[in-house]
Amino acid sequence: EAQVTQNPRYLITVTGKKLTVTCSQNMNHEYMSWYRQDPGLGLRQIYYSMNVEVTDKGDVPEGYKVSRKEKRNFPLILESPSPNQTSLYFCASSCGPGQGNCNYGYTFGSGTRLTVV
Amino acid sequence: AQTVTQSQPEMSVQEAETVTLSCTYDTSENNYYLFWYKQPPSRQMILVIRQEAYKQQNATENRFSVNFQKAAKSFSLKISDSQLGDTAMYFCAFMAYDNAGKSTFGDGTTLTVKP
Repeated sequence: EAQVTQNPRYLITVTGKKLTVTCSQNMNHEYMSWYRQDPGLGLRQIYYSMNVEVTDKGDVPEGYKVSRKEKRNFPLILESPSPNQTSLYFCASSCGPGQGNCNYGYTFGSGTRLTVV
Repeated sequence: AQTVTQSQPEMSVQEAETVTLSCTYDTSENNYYLFWYKQPPSRQMILVIRQEAYKQQNATENRFSVNFQKAAKSFSLKISDSQLGDTAMYFCAFMAYDNAGKSTFGDGTTLTVKP
């Protein structure tokens, strides 16, 4: 089944304790992205990647890191989480316009509910 | 920079009736994609419909259709024969062709379908 898998689904952590949220896709997509969703603010893009070793900042990158060492994986790293990073996080992937027969548009994972206390 | 505006925070519709959700956007790009996503209470984000800006024909997917007005930068979603399962938050989204990967979402419209 074509899907984006992110783990964990729920995470409660303490301020300052480094954490990683994993994301993997099995569709050979070139593009991957991380979003956070907060009430009344819609989805805001944190980072995105156009291919292996190619990443760029979205609208709210402060406090986050990403890496794209393999095409299928795109982990989100919070080096020193703070309470204002409590949010619902989504990973997503899409084929690129250069990939033949691409129905362009992000497919989303199921979300990670992160609470930082 | 792109902006996407959904001016209706909440809407409701009776089952079997038709409802239209509004979305306007601002961009200097000429080639881009527009999307509507549905987020039901399960919180899963589901792609409902996609529109390529260079196509004049409005996209349709079963009961879902769009009214794309490029000059007016308007992209509304029409849901026909509304069903209880359409109750969800709906997001309008923009992606430029030349900066693929970068996306902008609206704040969402919560739609309630009443029996």
